[in-house]
Amino acid sequence: EIVLTQSPGTLSLSPGERATLSCRASQSGISYLAWYQQKVGQAPRLLIYDASKRATGVPARFSGSGSGTDFTLTISSLEPEDFGVYYCQLRSHWPLMFTFGQGTRLEIK
Amino acid sequence: QVHLGQSGAEVKKPGASVKVSCKVSGHSLTEVAIHWVRQAPGKGLEWMGGFDPEEDNTAYPQNFQGRVTMTEDTSTDTAYMELSSLSSEDTALYYCVTELELLGDYVGGFDFWGHGTLVTVSS
Repeated sequence: EIVLTQSPGTLSLSPGERATLSCRASQSGISYLAWYQQKVGQAPRLLIYDASKRATGVPARFSGSGSGTDFTLTISSLEPEDFGVYYCQLRSHWPLMFTFGQGTRLEIK
Repeated sequence: QVHLGQSGAEVKKPGASVKVSCKVSGHSLTEVAIHWVRQAPGKGLEWMGGFDPEEDNTAYPQNFQGRVTMTEDTSTDTAYMELSSLSSEDTALYYCVTELELLGDYVGGFDFWGHGTLVTVSS
């Protein structure tokens, strides 16, 4: 089973700064990699799918990159509404499997 | 646009079973791939299983096999998730979600989420 490890666990930044979140897989074999944002009391929101494609309605300041076992979510200039917990998630086959990373908490400095 | 309407909160005793429903609107249930994800209080996200379009059946991760059953009623566009042999560790918010599909390919992201159903297991 592929394990996803996110780093850092917590990221403290100010509005306007650049955020870089990492997601590393324990082995290759990932079909697809996605990123989510979750705010307190809300369901997660899909931000990025297929490692680098923005989901509908996601602002251009969010970008995803990476391949193989190393993936990155970058927020170019933080807005106040960007603070929350971010999860990466893989889809692998065969058998079909979805695995989430443990999350990175992005907090206001 | 897909809307997922889930059933209400449940309180169960250890050893019991729970069945959560997810009503699909905006699309037919046959047009979406439903999965279930849970989140324990203050914890991360955990995939419980869902539709495998390549195999045309339901896939379950090993840690839930034998304890979870996912079914669908296409006449009412409603999906169900039943979890048995409940313990306190099953206390969580249970979400039904759809997998993003683009031009016939499922690309791994969960694009629509229900509001979640809180299941509390307590004696």
